Amino acid sequence: KNQVEQSPQSLIILEGKNCTLQCNYTVSPFSNLRWYKQDTGRGPVSLTIMTFSENTKSNGRYTATLDADTKQSSLHITASQLSDSASYICVASSGGYNKLIFGAGTRLAVHP
Amino acid sequence: EAEVAQSPRYKITEKSQAVAFWCDPISGHATLYWYRQILGQGPELLVQFQDESVVDDSQLPKDRFSAERLKGVDSTLKIQPAELGDSAMYLCASSFYAAYALQNTGELFFGEGSRLTVL
Repeated sequence: KNQVEQSPQSLIILEGKNCTLQCNYTVSPFSNLRWYKQDTGRGPVSLTIMTFSENTKSNGRYTATLDADTKQSSLHITASQLSDSASYICVASSGGYNKLIFGAGTRLAVHP
Repeated sequence: EAEVAQSPRYKITEKSQAVAFWCDPISGHATLYWYRQILGQGPELLVQFQDESVVDDSQLPKDRFSAERLKGVDSTLKIQPAELGDSAMYLCASSFYAAYALQNTGELFFGEGSRLTVL
């Protein structure tokens, strides 16, 4: 069964600190791996998209990594800001119609 | 900047009533998706359109849910009758690329969602 698991479920960090969110996926055939940021009550916004041949991609203070062999991805946030408080959703895409398999998300709270 | 428009943003209804959500994708986007997101979970695909045709509605509860995209532009998702378990955020998303082309990492843009509460 295609599935995406994220850890931790929730995380609290202090402003200015770094953090890393984890994603394990079981998707076949695998096409690409996406990370989205979702503010409370809003729609998801894309952070990064990586194909199986890419192992790292950055978007400002966000850096995603992908290990297609172990089927793991991580999202590293550097020098966190209060505005980083949100849910971060990992999405693996599969198949010819690129079906998107969403994880449940990691809820990040950045405290001053 | 072009956005995916959704309305209403919030809807409160009683069970057994009918409810409808509307989505206007970014101009020129061929593929349109409706997702349901229960609080604390990731979005779940309800239906996917390629222009006016349904590509995937395997997860759509067809006894009470219907979706249409008559002219291949805007779309409506209807629930009749609404049940307590339908309380969720309903998200619309669109993409310029055809569904099969998303393997080329085509970007998917989400609207702000419609929050449904069924009492």
